Amino acid sequence: NAGVTQTPKFQVLKTGQSMTLQCAQDMNHEYMSWYRQDPGMGLRLIHYSVGAGITDQGEVPNGYNVSRSTTEDFPLRLLSAAPSQTSVYFCASSTQGFNEQYFGPGTRLTVT
Amino acid sequence: KQEVTQIPAALSVPEGENLVLNCSFTDSAIYNLQWFRQDPGKGLTSLLLIQSSQREQTSGRLNASLDKSSGRSTLYIAASQPGDSATYLCAVRNDKPQGAQKLVFGQGTRLTINP
Repeated sequence: NAGVTQTPKFQVLKTGQSMTLQCAQDMNHEYMSWYRQDPGMGLRLIHYSVGAGITDQGEVPNGYNVSRSTTEDFPLRLLSAAPSQTSVYFCASSTQGFNEQYFGPGTRLTVT
Repeated sequence: KQEVTQIPAALSVPEGENLVLNCSFTDSAIYNLQWFRQDPGKGLTSLLLIQSSQREQTSGRLNASLDKSSGRSTLYIAASQPGDSATYLCAVRNDKPQGAQKLVFGQGTRLTINP
């Protein structure tokens, strides 16, 4: 199993550009989520999904969009990038219930 | 609102020492607590998961304890090695199983093991 994979590893955007961060898992996990990690703020939940076709907002959803058309994939879209979205983005997955969450290697995004 | 605190923020010890990392949380109504390791520029690696009904979990040289009533968890690392150098994060989950499964993270303890 590859576990949770994320692409790209690094990305530089200009303000106003849009892009999609990719996340995939091969563990047949129902639950997937996106976090951002910022110095002094820790990791904060952006959006999550409890299964294909079902998504909901987390703590800091503004400026981001998600969809879940398959169990395996959970892309995160930045609609119009802003410098405040400069961060490291992590995707995570788990089965439903009281289970361990697995994180991907992260995408380091810089918005200039 | 759940808040998670990890003290100290940084710790440096010589190789071979046993050490304890601390995690405290404000809302004791948690479902589980997970300890992670993060190497510089890397993702999070899960170390141990403790369910709310458990008191401790062990994996190799790592032992995590949970005292839900006092809102505390500790991660004990035995016979530390330079390869243990990393940032250690604890995260708690206190929503329902059907919900967001949101993890609330502490800021982490940056551990350095000196050869």
